[in-house]
Amino acid sequence: DTEVTQTPKHLVMGMTNKKSLKCEQHMGHRAMYWYKQKAKKPPELMFVYSYEKLSINESVPSRFSPECPNSSLLNLHLHALQPEDSALYLCASSQGAQTQETQYFGPGTRLLVL
Amino acid sequence: DAKTTQPPSMDCAEGRAANLPCNHSTISGNEYVYWYRQIHSQGPQYIIHGLKNNETNEMASLIITEDRKSSTLILPHATLRDTAVYYCIVRRSNTGKLIFGQGTTLQVKP
Repeated sequence: DTEVTQTPKHLVMGMTNKKSLKCEQHMGHRAMYWYKQKAKKPPELMFVYSYEKLSINESVPSRFSPECPNSSLLNLHLHALQPEDSALYLCASSQGAQTQETQYFGPGTRLLVL
Repeated sequence: DAKTTQPPSMDCAEGRAANLPCNHSTISGNEYVYWYRQIHSQGPQYIIHGLKNNETNEMASLIITEDRKSSTLILPHATLRDTAVYYCIVRRSNTGKLIFGQGTTLQVKP
């Protein structure tokens, strides 16, 4: 089973709202990732968690706050977003964060910020 | 970071082999070549990866040149469901980060 699940599928929020995206995997993977994908563009890495610790932050604005409560779960907390933050947010996981470990992606959460 | 160059779009007739090229001339010795595809509005799907040798799995074959500066993904019998954006990615050796390029939009036609 190589399934990564993400909830919700779609989310609409105002600029003053606080919301969270959720990602879950039960493959025993120890690395988890958040990517952002704007329309007609490739995915861009935001954060990497390795063994539940944040290992990479690609200079993401603080209005995005990741959290990894346990090895199966990854959250992305959203606060005071801007309309330009509207995008598809993708979660991925891999056995570890090493070069040869394959990343498996979830279906994404499509976010619209009004 | 090693960058990849892919043609922006390609067409393929249904049932024929689709050969998708990728240039990665600055690849380092211990960096892997990965291929993913993304069907409209879905998450990227892993296809195959390799380091030096050619690789084959149930989805595709990956041919890497001896100097490792380019590779070709081969879908042996393309179907309409293979219509997608195909990304060739060189995996950074120290972090394992995936840096997606612009990809090739493959259109499989009846």
